[in-house]
Amino acid sequence: QVQLQESGPGLVKPSETLSLTCTVSGGSISPNFWSWLRQPAGKGLEWIGRVYSSGSTNYNPSLKSRVTMSVDTSKNQFSLNLTSVTAADTAVYYCVRGPRSSSGWFDPWGQGALVTVSS
Amino acid sequence: QSVLTQPPSVSGAPGQRVTISCTGSSSNIGAGYDVHWYQQFPGTAPKLLIYGNNNRPSGVPDRFSGSKSGTSASLAITGLQAGDEADYFCQSYGGSLSGNWVFGGGTKLTVL
Repeated sequence: QVQLQESGPGLVKPSETLSLTCTVSGGSISPNFWSWLRQPAGKGLEWIGRVYSSGSTNYNPSLKSRVTMSVDTSKNQFSLNLTSVTAADTAVYYCVRGPRSSSGWFDPWGQGALVTVSS
Repeated sequence: QSVLTQPPSVSGAPGQRVTISCTGSSSNIGAGYDVHWYQQFPGTAPKLLIYGNNNRPSGVPDRFSGSKSGTSASLAITGLQAGDEADYFCQSYGGSLSGNWVFGGGTKLTVL
């Protein structure tokens, strides 16, 4: 059974870069699609972007200018970089598998990593 | 402002049936994209509850069911239990112009 675990700094300063890594266990990262989503406290879910195990990416247009995702198949990991962060980027960040298609879903989910943007 | 619209809250007594609506548009749900539902307990990650409009992953009780019609979808929960109290989110695709997977704002289910 595939499991995902986020890791990275819990506190990031404004204007700096948020970096998170997701480690996939219980299965291979290839071939598959992997996404990052986030959820501000008390609010809804936002899809950030998707990376395929080959490295191809799709990003949320509203975040595209600040987002980079990558895959390291040798470590069974994929990563998120979000530049020029502000307080509005404070949220719980989830790594998830999927979606495989436009009608696809997200499953399973990592436990989530709280990232706070503050000086 | 979420692309998909859900009621902020619903409630029901134990044993009752409740439904949660998810309203989209001709660009997303109405364009034929599937709707999926997630259940989230406080402090935990969302969990897939219904996929492909009306399919339950292994382990999800048949008390949970989904449906889709036109530009909307619904999640129904029968035989309501205290343990069903959680937040529920719908999800679909925003359409080829948006290039985005989108969610509803979430519905808090309270079991009275």
